[in-house]
Amino acid sequence: SQTIHQWPATLVQPVGSPLSLECTVEGTSNPNLYWYRQAAGRGLQLLFYSVGIGQISSEVPQNLSASRPQDRQFILSSKKLLLSDSGFYLCAWSSPGQGHGYTFGSGTRLTVV
Amino acid sequence: AQSVTQPDIHITVSEGASLELRCNYSYGATPYLFWYVQSPGQGLQLLLKYFSGDTLVQGIKGFEAEFKRSQSSFNLRKPSVHWSDAAEYFCAVGYNFNKFYFGSGTKLNVKP
Repeated sequence: SQTIHQWPATLVQPVGSPLSLECTVEGTSNPNLYWYRQAAGRGLQLLFYSVGIGQISSEVPQNLSASRPQDRQFILSSKKLLLSDSGFYLCAWSSPGQGHGYTFGSGTRLTVV
Repeated sequence: AQSVTQPDIHITVSEGASLELRCNYSYGATPYLFWYVQSPGQGLQLLLKYFSGDTLVQGIKGFEAEFKRSQSSFNLRKPSVHWSDAAEYFCAVGYNFNKFYFGSGTKLNVKP
């Protein structure tokens, strides 16, 4: 069966520090991968999605970036965190061309101090 | 531009009462429609989905949703709410299989 792993679960980082959040999927190949951010009191904002290795689409310009170095690995990064980057980050995957919806990871709570 | 609207930010219902959570979308074509549930501090779990066919779809945990094309709505319902249903519910809309947009969510509180 397919599983999605996201880590760390919680993270407290100072302003200006770098960020790296990792997400991996097991049990499937060539998944679509997504990063969403959920700020307090707001819905889910699509940040990046990827339909293949090295293929990244950015939805919202900001100081975050994403990379997909391997088929089932999706990384969210920042060189210098801002206070406004605090939030709950969710990774998700879906099967391309199939309407099964997303399967989400358990999320990372990022607090920038 | 596509949009998803969940007009109710918070809803409180008594245990055993019926529930309806509203979702409206704006787009010219019929989208793919989903409802997800999120417990505090957790990821999202898929409740149900609609692509085509019967406009009343059944999901997990006793939930159902009805697609109404004329109203551009996909409201979630449950006949009798349990205390364990307290969570945040998100409607999502997709226009292809690669990307979905979420509403801002509705937090459900269940009174004993």
